[in-house]
Amino acid sequence: GQQVMQIPQYQHVQEGEDFTTYCNSSTTLSNIQWYKQRPGGHPVFLIQLVKSGEVKKQKRLTFQFGEAKKNSSLHITATQTTDVGTYFCAGRSGAGSYQLTFGKGTKLSVIP
Amino acid sequence: ETGVTQTPRHLVMGMTNKKSLKCEQHLGHNAMYWYKQSAKKPLELMFVYSLEERVENNSVPSRFSPECPNSSHLFLHLHTLQPEDSALYLCASSQRGLPGYGYTFGSGTRLTVV
Repeated sequence: GQQVMQIPQYQHVQEGEDFTTYCNSSTTLSNIQWYKQRPGGHPVFLIQLVKSGEVKKQKRLTFQFGEAKKNSSLHITATQTTDVGTYFCAGRSGAGSYQLTFGKGTKLSVIP
Repeated sequence: ETGVTQTPRHLVMGMTNKKSLKCEQHLGHNAMYWYKQSAKKPLELMFVYSLEERVENNSVPSRFSPECPNSSHLFLHLHTLQPEDSALYLCASSQRGLPGYGYTFGSGTRLTVV
């Protein structure tokens, strides 16, 4: 079945440093979504990418979808303590598919 | 408040108990989901109800039984659970066919089986 691998599993950064998490799928995806889960919280939807090579920005967050639509990345510039949490990617193999396969997530810690 | 409300927030139950988790969405979405979140594992899709159609993950044990009486309410009935079923159970909703929108998750029920 479809697998979505996410690295790294953990990342500790000094406040102000950049952070990147990578997501790789075993199959071509129709779209990919990113979620953030704060400690003790629930996943919150950040963004969806659909087109090959797509790049989207939300303030300090930059999301990319690979040309082959099998990988994606989330980059945070100049991390802040409010960025702490676990970032999940979730891929969908077919546009009408019910199955949204989540990666294990990257847990980000920011040292003030 | 996310628009998806789950109760209870915490539940401790014995292996012989029967309990139910409740989820209600106030967003007018047409699909609802149950996910299981265990430590060090990816979010695992358990059940989907979309436009009155039910889709399930065949690996989910029969001791978990979903019920969706209408498009706004979703239940997960639990019976004779095992300690390894202890996890965070998340309900989510979405609007299928509406591009660009992800899932809205509830705050979850933290389940402990003793």
